Order: sequence, then C-alpha cells, then structure tokens
Amino acid sequence: DIQMTQSPSSVSASVGDRVTITCRASQGISSWLAWYQQKQGKAPILLIYDASTLQNGVPSRFSGSGSGTDFTLTINSLQPEDFANYYCQQGDNFPLTFGGGTKVEIK
Amino acid sequence: EVQVVESGGGLVQPGGSLRLSCEASGFIFSNDWMHWVRQVPGKGLVWVSRINTDGSDTSYADSVKGRFTILRDNAKNTLYLQMSSLRPEDTAVYYCARDLPGPHFYLDVWGKGTTVIVSS
Repeated sequence: DIQMTQSPSSVSASVGDRVTITCRASQGISSWLAWYQQKQGKAPILLIYDASTLQNGVPSRFSGSGSGTDFTLTINSLQPEDFANYYCQQGDNFPLTFGGGTKVEIK
Repeated sequence: EVQVVESGGGLVQPGGSLRLSCEASGFIFSNDWMHWVRQVPGKGLVWVSRINTDGSDTSYADSVKGRFTILRDNAKNTLYLQMSSLRPEDTAVYYCARDLPGPHFYLDVWGKGTTVIVSS
C-alpha cells in the first residue's frame, strides 16, 4: 500500500496569511494526488486533483503543486472559512490512501 | 442538484450485520464508479471499498475484506455496503462518494455520512 504522510499535523495562522501543507507519498504516484477540505462534522470537499487542477467552484486562492512523491497545497490570503482540516489522497491505485490530515487553526 | 444520501447506520452488537444504503440523484448513477470511505470521529479518512459501473468489479481495504460487500442497483440509483462480522473497530461515520470521471481515482461528491456504532 502507498503511505501518505502529511506535515505539519497542525498549523496556526491568521486571516490573510499564506499557508503551505506538504504531502509525501511512500512511492512515486506521478501527479495522481488530490486535496480535500473537511470542516468539523461535515463531509470532505474535493479541492484539487491531479496535483494541481482546481475543482469547479473552488476559490483560486487554493493551489497545488508537485509530482512523484512530494506535493504541496498552498492557501493564499487565508480566509475565515478556510479554517478546517485538510487531507491529501493518492489516486494512483487501490487501496486509495489518505494522509493523516492537517488542521489549520486560527492564531 | 448532484447529491448522495446515506442511510442505514445504527447501533449493532459485535459479530452482527448491517446494510448501509446510499441513494444518488442529480447525475447518471450507472455511469460512475462509487466508493465507501469511513472516519472515526476526530480521526482521519480511511477508504473502505469501491465498485465499478455495472457492479462486476470491486475492491476492498484489507481491514474489511471478507466481511464487507459493496453492491449497487443501477435501476434504483442506490449503492450498498453489506457489513457482517462487525467489530468495535468498525465504529465510524461511513461516507458514500462518487468517483470523479477520469483515469484516476478521486472523490468529487460526498454524502453527509451515516454513523455505525459496534458495541455490546
């Protein structure tokens, strides 16, 4: 199975900050990576797939990059509604695997 | 509106069985692969199973293989997860999700989840 490791596990930031979350795969997955946002008690929302493609309706302050084993989610100009948990997921093969999550908290 | 709605969760004793359902609407259900994902409250997301468009091909996480069965009824626009030999560690919120059309596997439509509690 492909292991997905996210860092940091939590980050404190202020409105307007830039936040960067990283995800590392235990083996190369080309660009087959997604990022999800999940708020407390809610279902996850797909933000980005294929490492850098923004899902329809997702604000452009979210961006993704990377290939192979190392990936990054960047949130530019953090907004109040962005405080949530974020997960990466490899979409290369089964079993699909998720990172452990990153909690973006208000500083 | 494109949506999926799960149901069927509840309290069940260890060793028991439960069937979850997921009703889809707003899209052509028979065209899309579907998945189940679970999450222990306060913990991360764990993929459980997937099924192809006509139900002829399935995959499972090792932790549920041989105990859970994923099924679909395209005439009823409904996905199922038949769970048996349930264990306390199966306690979680179970989400149904649609596979984003394309050659790789991402989940673009999620339900609100249904809660399964396995306890005596």
